[in-house]
Amino acid sequence: EIQMTQSPSSVSASVGDKVTITCRASQDIKSWLAWYQQRPGKAPKLLISAASSLQSGVPSRFSGSGSGTDFTLTISSLQPEDFATYSCQQAYSFPLTFGGGTKVEIK
Amino acid sequence: QVQLVQSGAEVKKPGSSVKVSCKASGDRFSTSLITWVRQAPGQGLEWMGGLVPIYGIVKYAQRFQGRVTIIADRSTNTAYMDLSSLRSEDTAVYYCARAVLGYCDTTSCLVQNGMDVWGQGTTVTVSS
Repeated sequence: EIQMTQSPSSVSASVGDKVTITCRASQDIKSWLAWYQQRPGKAPKLLISAASSLQSGVPSRFSGSGSGTDFTLTISSLQPEDFATYSCQQAYSFPLTFGGGTKVEIK
Repeated sequence: QVQLVQSGAEVKKPGSSVKVSCKASGDRFSTSLITWVRQAPGQGLEWMGGLVPIYGIVKYAQRFQGRVTIIADRSTNTAYMDLSSLRSEDTAVYYCARAVLGYCDTTSCLVQNGMDVWGQGTTVTVSS
C-alpha cells in the first residue's frame, strides 16, 4: 500500500497570502496524483488531476506540480472561500490512498 | 452532467450491517470506477474500495477486506456498499465517488484520474 504524507497538517494564513502544501508518496507514483478541497459538512471537490491538470471551473490561483514522490499544491493568492481542508490522493495503484489533509485556517 | 445521489442516514447497532446505495444519472456509470470513501468525525478521507461495473472488477482496501461488499446494478445505474460487523469506530460519513479510468480491461484497471463526481454523503451512526 502506498502511503501519502501531507505537510503541514494545518496552516494559518491571511487573504492574499501564497500557500503551499506538500504531499509525499512512499513510492514512485509517476504523475498520478489528485488534489481535493473540502469545506465543512460538504463532499470533497476535485481541484487537480494528474499532478498539475486543473479541473474545469477551478480558479487559476490553484496550481499543482511534481512527479515521482514529491508534489505540491499552491494557492497563489488566498481568497476567503479557500479556507478549507486540502487532501492529496494517489491514483497510481490499488488501494487508492489519501494524505491526512491540510487545514487552511484564517490568521 | 453526472450526478450521484446516495441513500439517507442510518443508525445501526454494533454487530449489525448497513447497506448504502448510490444512484448515478448521466453516462459512463458502467465504464467508470465507482468508489466508496468514508470520513470519521474530525478525521481524513479513507478509501474503502471500488468497482468497475462493466467488468465486475472490485478492489477493496485491506483493512475492510471481509467486511465490505461493493456491487452494482447496471440496469438501474446504482452502486451499493454493504459493511458488516459494525462497531462504533465505523461511525462516519460515507461517500460514493466516480473516477474516470485511464485504462481498463477485463483483468486490470489503471485509475490515473481523480474522483470528479461525489455523492452528497450518507451519515452512518453505530451506537448501542
